[in-house]
Amino acid sequence: ELKVEQNPLFLSMQEGKNYTIYCNYSTTSDRLYWYRQDPGKSLESLFVLLSNGAVKQEGRLMASLDTKARLSTLHITAAVHDLSATYFCAVQWWNEKLTFGTGTRLTIIP
Amino acid sequence: EPEVTQTPSHQVTQMGQEVILRCVPISNHLYFYWYRQILGQKVEFLVSFYNNEISEKSEIFDDQFSVERPDGSNFTLKIRSTKLEDSAMYFCASSVRVNTEAFFGQGTRLTVV
Repeated sequence: ELKVEQNPLFLSMQEGKNYTIYCNYSTTSDRLYWYRQDPGKSLESLFVLLSNGAVKQEGRLMASLDTKARLSTLHITAAVHDLSATYFCAVQWWNEKLTFGTGTRLTIIP
Repeated sequence: EPEVTQTPSHQVTQMGQEVILRCVPISNHLYFYWYRQILGQKVEFLVSFYNNEISEKSEIFDDQFSVERPDGSNFTLKIRSTKLEDSAMYFCASSVRVNTEAFFGQGTRLTVV
């Protein structure tokens, strides 16, 4: 069974601090996505990671992929309130569907 | 910028009623999907559709669900007899081809009462 696990499920952090969200998956894959979701809203694509060692950065967010460890990380640098949201990773295997992680609800405290 | 559009944004229906959720995928996309998200939970795959037929479906997608591409632009999800547990946000998505990034619509919030 294809499984995607995220941790932590909930994360409350102060503005200005750094933190990392982890995404583990059960079977080798070459394509991993990170999404942001605000309450009641759709999924906003943040990053697409296509190969081992891939690293992408946008503003205060940086995502990486280690296909050998079956692990992706989303690192937040110097958090600001606007980053408060739920973050999902999703893995795409040989078939076209996405299998989502459980999500990490991030709250940035002033 | 092209986007996936869904209608309605919110639908309230009585238990046992049929509902049809509508989606207009991005025009040059060939693969279409429906996903579901129960409030506060993760996003779950329902079904994928290509070349006018279902290419994969999940265990959730039972006989009460069906999908259709009635014309060249719309992609619909029908729930024949809604249950309380069908209450969720339903997302449509489309992609150019298999194993490429799928783009999501804004979702339809379905509330079954």
